[in-house]
Amino acid sequence: AQKVTQAQTEISVVEKEDVTLDCVYETRDTTYYLFWYKQPPSGELVFLIRRNSFDEQNEISGRYSWNFQKSTSSFNFTITASQVVDSAVYFCALSEAGQAGTALIFGKGTTLSVSS
Amino acid sequence: GAVVSQHPSRVICKSGTSVKIECRSLDFQATTMFWYRQFPKQSLMLMATSNEGSKATYEQGVEKDKFLINHASLTLSTLTVTSAHPEDSSFYICSARGTANSGNTIYFGEGSWLTVV
Repeated sequence: AQKVTQAQTEISVVEKEDVTLDCVYETRDTTYYLFWYKQPPSGELVFLIRRNSFDEQNEISGRYSWNFQKSTSSFNFTITASQVVDSAVYFCALSEAGQAGTALIFGKGTTLSVSS
Repeated sequence: GAVVSQHPSRVICKSGTSVKIECRSLDFQATTMFWYRQFPKQSLMLMATSNEGSKATYEQGVEKDKFLINHASLTLSTLTVTSAHPEDSSFYICSARGTANSGNTIYFGEGSWLTVV
């Protein structure tokens, strides 16, 4: 069965600190997608990244970077030099791409609070 | 790019009444849409999968007679909360899956805050 675990419920950092949000997933499929979303207080989900199971290259986008390691079934997200605007709930999600119409399974989310 | 629009963004209804939430794919056809529910400070839980022209598939524990889902066209799915009660107050969000040509990309609506008083 699919499962996404975000063990960190809440993280508090001070501006300019680096912070890593952990994500561990479980799936029996060899073909799947992993996602990260940001959810500000307004509620909408802001798409951050999608990575398929065949692409283990780490990715960097500005202050954001992602470390995908199939050997440990992890897809961790790092924010470098955090800012107050980064404060939000972050969700990691999994989709078995091999099946048409498969929904995303979300982790419980990590609430990140960045103080000035 | 593709956009999914959800309406209304916020709704307050009286206990016992029904409320309808719409999810529209604006510039692509979505044969499959998904409805999620999120209680405060909790994760998004899949309620049902909606396929155009057929009955929705509900997740275990979701009452299909209470949460009516209709996917009558390739661009519109609706969720109707019938006989709403305060415990139905929640954030409801839909998503639509694009075509295989677009990499089966998932697009989320903006979400709808439902308050039942």
